[in-house]
Amino acid sequence: SQQGEEDPQALSIQEGENATMNCSYKTSINNLQWYRQNSGRGLVHLILIRSNEREKHSGRLRVTLDTSKKSSSLLITASRAADTASYFCATDEWYSSASKIIFGSGTRLSIRP
Amino acid sequence: DAGITQSPRHKVTETGTPVTLRCHQTENHRYMYWYRQDPGHGLRLIHYSYGVKDTDKGEVSDGYSVSRSKTEDFLLTLESATSSQTSVYFCAISDLAGEPTEAFFGQGTRLTVV
Repeated sequence: SQQGEEDPQALSIQEGENATMNCSYKTSINNLQWYRQNSGRGLVHLILIRSNEREKHSGRLRVTLDTSKKSSSLLITASRAADTASYFCATDEWYSSASKIIFGSGTRLSIRP
Repeated sequence: DAGITQSPRHKVTETGTPVTLRCHQTENHRYMYWYRQDPGHGLRLIHYSYGVKDTDKGEVSDGYSVSRSKTEDFLLTLESATSSQTSVYFCAISDLAGEPTEAFFGQGTRLTVV
């Protein structure tokens, strides 16, 4: 099963509103990342937060991390039509000296004009 | 954009035939990954590599094998393609040299098994 699970699976909001997506994961992590995917394209990295950080900002993005609850949230403020995309959280799993990146199932965000 | 190229971009193949997808990078990144993406499942890790000849299984490795004989190339082989392997396949690279870094993705390969 996948490490990360996003909630909600789909979200539709009015342009200008804020969008919040949540991610829960199962095992201990070193970092958590958020990615965006426009329809039919590869994923694009948005932001990375380390396990010892609680909050991080990048432009209109705000990410929080609660390692005690094994959860993270991505907030997009003042949404725009161009924000319409799928958003995925991803966590790292380390085994000995190697790591793999595991993705959640994603949240489909639609911005209504 | 990171130098990562997948080939082919589209392929239609028949059930039971072997298929090889290629991922080529020009970034000299240590880590390379193969994912498949299906509706409702997000991205699922098939196999990954953490160096030349160093590979390991992911979540959905059955029916797939990989090889990495050079830093820049990571091949994904479907030994005997089945309809359940119809999917979009993404390659990604990352350089986790002691510090967590972002993954860069290829444009994907759409594989249809008929």
